[in-house]
Amino acid sequence: AQTVTQSQPEMSVQEAETVTLSCTYDTSESDYYLFWYKQPPSRQMILVIRQEAYKQQNATENRFSVNFQKAAKSFSLKISDSQLGDAAMYFCAYLGSSYKLIFGSGTRLLVRP
Amino acid sequence: EPEVTQTPSHQVTQMGQEVILRCVPISNHLYFYWYRQILGQKVEFLVSFYNNEISEKSEIFDDQFSVERPDGSNFTLKIRSTKLEDSAMYFCASTTGQGRDTQYFGPGTRLTVL
Repeated sequence: AQTVTQSQPEMSVQEAETVTLSCTYDTSESDYYLFWYKQPPSRQMILVIRQEAYKQQNATENRFSVNFQKAAKSFSLKISDSQLGDAAMYFCAYLGSSYKLIFGSGTRLLVRP
Repeated sequence: EPEVTQTPSHQVTQMGQEVILRCVPISNHLYFYWYRQILGQKVEFLVSFYNNEISEKSEIFDDQFSVERPDGSNFTLKIRSTKLEDSAMYFCASTTGQGRDTQYFGPGTRLTVL
């Protein structure tokens, strides 16, 4: 069975600085997708970024980018120029052949003004 | 931009009562999902639904749970006899079903069982 691990329960970053959130996963599949979702205090799940495993190029979305290391089964999220609105829970998620998302336990990001 | 909607935003019920949580997926989407998040815990898959039948369900999705697409737009989750441990945030998600497409989530329904 696939698992997703987020080893950082909480991270803190100064506004305008850069922060990296870690995620590792375990799978025997070769074709899968990885996602980062943001959950603000409203608790809505908002898609941040998506990465297809067959693509070597790391996905980017404005200030958000990933470092996808397929061999190491690592999928970290880098947030550049952090803003107060980035404060939220961030969940890493795996989507494999079963078409159901498997989530990590989340990382709470605090942004200091 | 199309979005998934859910009603109600917050439901309070007494233990043993039936509740129905409603979702309106994005209109051209074909796969529908329910996930659950107990406060402070990770998001867990409950069930997936395609072509008017369950595609997959988790161990959590026991006989007290059911899903239905009663018309062309709504997708519902029914809990027949609620328990205290059913208190959680319930998220509906939908996707086009074209391969492993992105799942778009609704805002969630907070269920409180007293």
